[in-house]
Amino acid sequence: GNSVTQMEGPVTLSEEAFLTINCTYTATGYPSLFWYVQYPGEGLQLLLKATKADDKGSNKGFEATYRKETTSFHLEKGSVQVSDSAVYFCALSDEGYGGSQGNLIFGKGTKLSVKP
Amino acid sequence: KAGVTQTPRYLIKTRGQQVTLSCSPISGHRSVSWYQQTPGQGLQFLFEYFSETQRNKGNFPGRFSGRQFSNSRSEMNVSTLELGDSALYLCASSTGTGLEYIQYFGAGTRLSVL
Repeated sequence: GNSVTQMEGPVTLSEEAFLTINCTYTATGYPSLFWYVQYPGEGLQLLLKATKADDKGSNKGFEATYRKETTSFHLEKGSVQVSDSAVYFCALSDEGYGGSQGNLIFGKGTKLSVKP
Repeated sequence: KAGVTQTPRYLIKTRGQQVTLSCSPISGHRSVSWYQQTPGQGLQFLFEYFSETQRNKGNFPGRFSGRQFSNSRSEMNVSTLELGDSALYLCASSTGTGLEYIQYFGAGTRLSVL
């Protein structure tokens, strides 16, 4: 079945450092790919998405490119801030009955801590 | 526009009891999905409801059930609670159709089973 693998954390960086969180997927068909972020005590917030190969999603300085040839969707940010400290989840949409995409498959999550 | 609202935020139950969690989706959204989040298993899909019908189901025992009302509000029920049911239960809503299929999550209900 479909699955998502992302790098294990925790990841600790200094402010203004470069961030990469690796994410690879296994899927049949052409799923959409997502990065969600979870701050302590909160639910998930959509960070960015890509719906087809070579699409680049971007938001708040974060970027990820849908690479079908390497089945990857790595998250990057050029200069992290303390406020970026959170858990990041890579996910893909698993097509269900009738073409719905109501089933997201998530990676295990990567905890990021940014030190001042 | 109000976001996804889940109630209650916290629940404490004992083994063998049953529990009902509630989710109010974003206005206009017809799809509600439920997920269980635990430290060991991560985020796992429970089920999705669309226009009052269960459209997709994850791999959970029959003790986990749900329903959706005509106003798109959804409830999930867990019967005969087990210690392993302790988790954060997240609800997500979406339009349920189209290529731009984005799920918006609530803050979750944290269930502790003693």
